[in-house]
Amino acid sequence: DGGITQSPKYLFRKEGQNVTLSCEQNLNHDAMYWYRQDPGQGLRLIYYSQIVNDFQKGDIAEGYSVSREKKESFPLTVTSAQKNPTAFYLCASSTIREVSNQPQHFGDGTRLSIL
Amino acid sequence: AQTVTQSQPEMSVQEAETVTLSCTYDTSESDYYLFWYKQPPSRQMILVIRQEAYKQQNATENRFSVNFQKAAKSFSLKISDSQLGDAAMYFCAVQGGSEKLVFGKGTKLTVNP
Repeated sequence: DGGITQSPKYLFRKEGQNVTLSCEQNLNHDAMYWYRQDPGQGLRLIYYSQIVNDFQKGDIAEGYSVSREKKESFPLTVTSAQKNPTAFYLCASSTIREVSNQPQHFGDGTRLSIL
Repeated sequence: AQTVTQSQPEMSVQEAETVTLSCTYDTSESDYYLFWYKQPPSRQMILVIRQEAYKQQNATENRFSVNFQKAAKSFSLKISDSQLGDAAMYFCAVQGGSEKLVFGKGTKLTVNP
């Protein structure tokens, strides 16, 4: 079955450490997205990519980095510069043909906590 | 910029009854789309229903329907014959033109047996 796989489900970060969250999709979608979800905040866009080797900052990109070397993969690195990384992270994908018309499909998320 | 406001942080409904979740939005785009997503305790985001702004007819998906009032920029979700499995966070979202998808802060729906 096609879908989006995020791993790991739970992740712990030590102070000063970079961690990488994985997101893989087999939906043949061109666009991929990373969101951060905090209690009472809804979803906020971190980064998005509409094509391989290209990505754009979202609303809260500081302290995060991404890469898009393959169409299927869009990993997110939470760097030590992100001082408050504890949150739930959701990856999503969509087609880009008539972007607004195509809903985003979401993975099951990764819960990141600080040790 | 696009904004979405969900004015009800929490709602509750009795099983088998009907509940309406409110959403208002703002966008400068003339062509845009509206979505309701459901997030159950498992945390996966599931698309419930979507509405194209250029369509006057309200979208319907089984027990879920919307009341789309374009002039008022209102997009409420009605859940009929509520079931225990409907208990979740519900997020309203808008996306127009080349703008990003913007979410509201969500409404937590409790279904009482």
